[in-house]
Amino acid sequence: GENVEQHPSTLSVQEGDSAVIKCTYSDSASNYFPWYKQELGKGPQLIIDIRSNVGEKKDQRIAVTLNKTAKHFSLHITETQPEDSAVYFCAALFPLRDYKLSFGAGTTVTVRA
Amino acid sequence: SQTIHQWPATLVQPVGSPLSLECTVEGTSNPNLYWYRQAAGRGLQLLFYSVGIGQISSEVPQNLSASRPQDRQFILSSKKLLLSDSGFYLCAWTGNERETQYFGPGTRLLVL
Repeated sequence: GENVEQHPSTLSVQEGDSAVIKCTYSDSASNYFPWYKQELGKGPQLIIDIRSNVGEKKDQRIAVTLNKTAKHFSLHITETQPEDSAVYFCAALFPLRDYKLSFGAGTTVTVRA
Repeated sequence: SQTIHQWPATLVQPVGSPLSLECTVEGTSNPNLYWYRQAAGRGLQLLFYSVGIGQISSEVPQNLSASRPQDRQFILSSKKLLLSDSGFYLCAWTGNERETQYFGPGTRLLVL
């Protein structure tokens, strides 16, 4: 299958706190997992990605972890700021299906000042 | 560097009218190209993708069609729009590694 499940659907955090979004995938052949941030009225922008040969990747306040055995991966945003408010999408690549990406349903993150 | 353009940015069309949305990519050659639709407050639905000129794969049966007349041009069309065609249409491309998809700014379509 090509399902990607994403939780939670909405997340409200106090400025300065951390935010965590979790995704699971069903196809063990998936080997690439990008995360996108979409601001209102704009196209999704890639913020971080991870490949299956790595368990964790960090870029400043953003980190992604991958557990291939359990088929789940997570986005961690530390020291959240108001500009982190957006919709976040996880995705998984299916190399055996023409390299198509399957997206989660999205998480609306609101950072309260 | 590579850039992706979509136009128009916003479009209001009556039911039954035709549609043509255009997407072009600069700074790369032989990209994979994708059309997605996003309903309000919803996720991304893949509509079409293309791995080369004249090669179009459709993901879901619908009122829309796609064409790729040039290497870096992807067009989404309809002969007669339906109310349900309203949404935010996104074009994306990947490079030779065929992993990371980069999205355009989108076209917001409202069918009345």
